[in-house]
Amino acid sequence: GEDVEQSLFLSVREGDSSVINCTYTDSSSTYLYWYKQEPGAGLQLLTYIFSNMDMKQDQRLTVLLNKKDKHLSLRIADTQTGDSAIYFCAERYNQGGKLIFGQGTELSVKP
Amino acid sequence: GAVVSQHPSRVICKSGTSVKIECRSLDFQATTMFWYRQFPKQSLMLMATSNEGSKATYEQGVEKDKFLINHASLTLSTLTVTSAHPEDSSFYICSANPAGDSPLHFGNGTRLTVT
Repeated sequence: GEDVEQSLFLSVREGDSSVINCTYTDSSSTYLYWYKQEPGAGLQLLTYIFSNMDMKQDQRLTVLLNKKDKHLSLRIADTQTGDSAIYFCAERYNQGGKLIFGQGTELSVKP
Repeated sequence: GAVVSQHPSRVICKSGTSVKIECRSLDFQATTMFWYRQFPKQSLMLMATSNEGSKATYEQGVEKDKFLINHASLTLSTLTVTSAHPEDSSFYICSANPAGDSPLHFGNGTRLTVT
């Protein structure tokens, strides 16, 4: 079935690295995404990775994909207070297909 | 980049009235748009897939007569919450993607409060 799991909370100090983890169940997913949601706002696409990739880096963001274990992670280097938000991972099954979201991880960055 | 615009951003209505929410793709055409619902502190749940020129596809448990979807053009999908009740109060978000392999982009959401 379709299921995406995330830990609910993560707290880090400003300047540290944050690692948000996600597991999924459907091995046929084509793309995996990370979205950021600030309070009262919509979703901002942060980055995504195609299922045949192992790693993707974009400035402070690094996505690692372990397809064998169905594990996805998002690393934020030099975390800032402005990174405090809820982060959702999501998997997508086919072209134009729907996304299945995890529960979201609330990242709290302390100065 | 791809932009999805959603209006209104916030609406308060009385119980029993209907509310229409618009989702527009501003710089691309979208044959398919998606409508999600998010309760406080919870994840997004897909409600329906909006298909241009044809009927929407609803997820299990979503009442199609209550949540009317119209996708009359390649840049506009509307969600109408009919005979709204307080339990319909939620955050509704739409999404679309420019092409089959492109990532989905989301609107800023509509906060609906039914009194």
